[in-house]
Amino acid sequence: DSGVTQTPKHLITATGQRVTLRCSPRSGDLSVYWYQQSLDQGLQFLIQYYNGEERAKGNILERFSAQQFPDLHSELNLSSLELGDSALYFCASSPRTSSYEQYFGPGTRLTVT
Amino acid sequence: DAKTTQPTSMDCAEGRAANLPCNHSTISGNEYVYWYRQIHSQGPQYIIHGLKNNETNEMASLIITEDRKSSTLILPHATLRDTAVYYCIVSALNNAGNNRKLIWGLGTSLAVNP
Repeated sequence: DSGVTQTPKHLITATGQRVTLRCSPRSGDLSVYWYQQSLDQGLQFLIQYYNGEERAKGNILERFSAQQFPDLHSELNLSSLELGDSALYFCASSPRTSSYEQYFGPGTRLTVT
Repeated sequence: DAKTTQPTSMDCAEGRAANLPCNHSTISGNEYVYWYRQIHSQGPQYIIHGLKNNETNEMASLIITEDRKSSTLILPHATLRDTAVYYCIVSALNNAGNNRKLIWGLGTSLAVNP
């Protein structure tokens, strides 16, 4: 158990819909990262927050957005969903943005039908 | 884009050492080598990292060549639970020295066989 929690574990929704994925980092970690992993693909970095502020952006679509709240939990919002958005979405946390280790949550499996 | 090259898959007998190679020929002086693993559909797990010296922890050893263009992750006594995808990543702090981002490749799928 990494100490990072993600909800929900599974999500099934229809094309065109909007969903919100939630992540609670390890206690004391200030940095949160979001990744997308499509079937048989490596992890694609989406976005990173540090202490409430966006720190780095990766291959995140404009239909996706994220935020980190004062209590340090983070949410990833996915809108106008397409079939190709079906994937595992992982959240990771680390104490600092310069940390060597990232601690990953169990992921949310999103299925768009 | 990932800066590392790894074999797509490898096999290892249970109880034997698993040696997973990684090429990172374009690594720059301030980039570290990281290894993570992902057991089927679970969140990735950090294993080890190094800059230029060999490193060892309770999970594995990391051997980095003197020119730093390649490295090998060694699991000394592989078990069935070590069956996973192993990712080799190189990364450095940004110019401001305040952020480190990992760029992931496709990794090596290691199968540990009884």
